[in-house]
Amino acid sequence: DADVTQTPRNRITKTGKRIMLECSQTKGHDRMYWYRQDPGLGLRLIYYSFDVKDINKGEISDGYSVSRQAQAKFSLSLESAIPNQTALYFCATSDLSWGGTSGYTGELFFGEGSRLTVL
Amino acid sequence: GQQVMQIPQYQHVQEGEDFTTYCNSSTTLSNIQWYKQRPGGHPVFLIQLVKSGEVKKQKRLTFQFGEAKKNSSLHITATQTTDVGTYFCAPNTGTASKLTFGTGTRLQVTL
Repeated sequence: DADVTQTPRNRITKTGKRIMLECSQTKGHDRMYWYRQDPGLGLRLIYYSFDVKDINKGEISDGYSVSRQAQAKFSLSLESAIPNQTALYFCATSDLSWGGTSGYTGELFFGEGSRLTVL
Repeated sequence: GQQVMQIPQYQHVQEGEDFTTYCNSSTTLSNIQWYKQRPGGHPVFLIQLVKSGEVKKQKRLTFQFGEAKKNSSLHITATQTTDVGTYFCAPNTGTASKLTFGTGTRLQVTL
């Protein structure tokens, strides 16, 4: 089984619909992230969470909201989907820790991705 | 704020040729990570560099971190078709425990 699981893997919806993408992890990491990937734009950070009580906006949070239901679960919602939210969405977890002069170190572990199409 | 450029956006090589992608930051970095994403897959961590001038090797892959800690490169020697994918740098200024990514370099390798 994958350590970071995203559901659904594919979703087609219509403009104005509410959509939730779910992410669960078995790695025991406190830090979880949602990224969006568009061709030519790389990975852009939507929201990130350091623990259940700590949620932070990323580069492109407008139009999105998140919920950290438990250490292992982090969901992303689109309250009213629009076509330019069509993209590939990735959840990630991390064991980032403060390394002093090295800054925050530690790798990201990504889920398989959720492809969302908004018509 | 931090600006990161990753070049080239795309490169097509013949199998056996070398390949290099560069990541350049406008600010000094605390560390930098590199990820590879195969077509249809998810990004997978390759390496992290933290020291000025650091060079690390993984088989045919060589990673460098500049002396000023503002740029980094990934060099692949004698590419193989298994190297196909998009390579992302993820620079970290150390002021926040979130990772942002470069725009990626897509590598295509043909026989």
